Amino acid sequence: EPEVTQTPSHQVTQMGQEVILRCVPISNHLYFYWYRQILGQKVEFLVSFYNNEISEKSEIFDDQFSVERPDGSNFTLKIRSTKLEDSAMYFCASRKQRLSLRFNEQFFGPGTRLTVL
Amino acid sequence: SQKIEQNSEALNIQEGKTATLTCNYTNYSPAYLQWYRQDPGRGPVFLLLIRENEKEKRKERLKVTFDTTLKQSLFHITASQPADSATYLCALRGMYSGGGADGLTFGKGTHLIIQP
Repeated sequence: EPEVTQTPSHQVTQMGQEVILRCVPISNHLYFYWYRQILGQKVEFLVSFYNNEISEKSEIFDDQFSVERPDGSNFTLKIRSTKLEDSAMYFCASRKQRLSLRFNEQFFGPGTRLTVL
Repeated sequence: SQKIEQNSEALNIQEGKTATLTCNYTNYSPAYLQWYRQDPGRGPVFLLLIRENEKEKRKERLKVTFDTTLKQSLFHITASQPADSATYLCALRGMYSGGGADGLTFGKGTHLIIQP
């Protein structure tokens, strides 16, 4: 069964450094998402991406964040200058083109654990 | 502001019994509501979606109800098994800047423990 993959599984970085988290969504999906989950807290929406542009973003997704789909398969999240509070699990998700509400389920990847020191 | 509340942080149920989890929301008029399962260190896994005009939805041992008047959804697992132990998340379409792609807002989840 097709699945969303993410790399790396764990990223450790120093405060102020740039990180890029990578995702390969399911191949016939057209909507892509990033979420984060700080340890012990709820899953929080960051951004959605459709047709090569941002569709929605939350207040968390400030100028330090950017997303890109550099080729036909990868979807990346960049954090320009990491802060201690960026330490979290970052989940990528994807969804099919919505033909009806039946297809609103989102498929999540296994996550990248980001640790900022 | 919009809020999703799930009934408790931990729910202990004896194997074979029915587990019932609650999701309450405020300041939403959702067209649908979703339930996900999350295991420790893993991403959420979709379980069920129920639309605003549906009272009840079933899938194998799972049942979801949706009461838009009470602003509440109940999630039931019948004949519960230790393998059902996980955190169960309620999710609604969020209201974010831009609109249109259905970014989800999640509740904090209920940690369900099924004891043998």
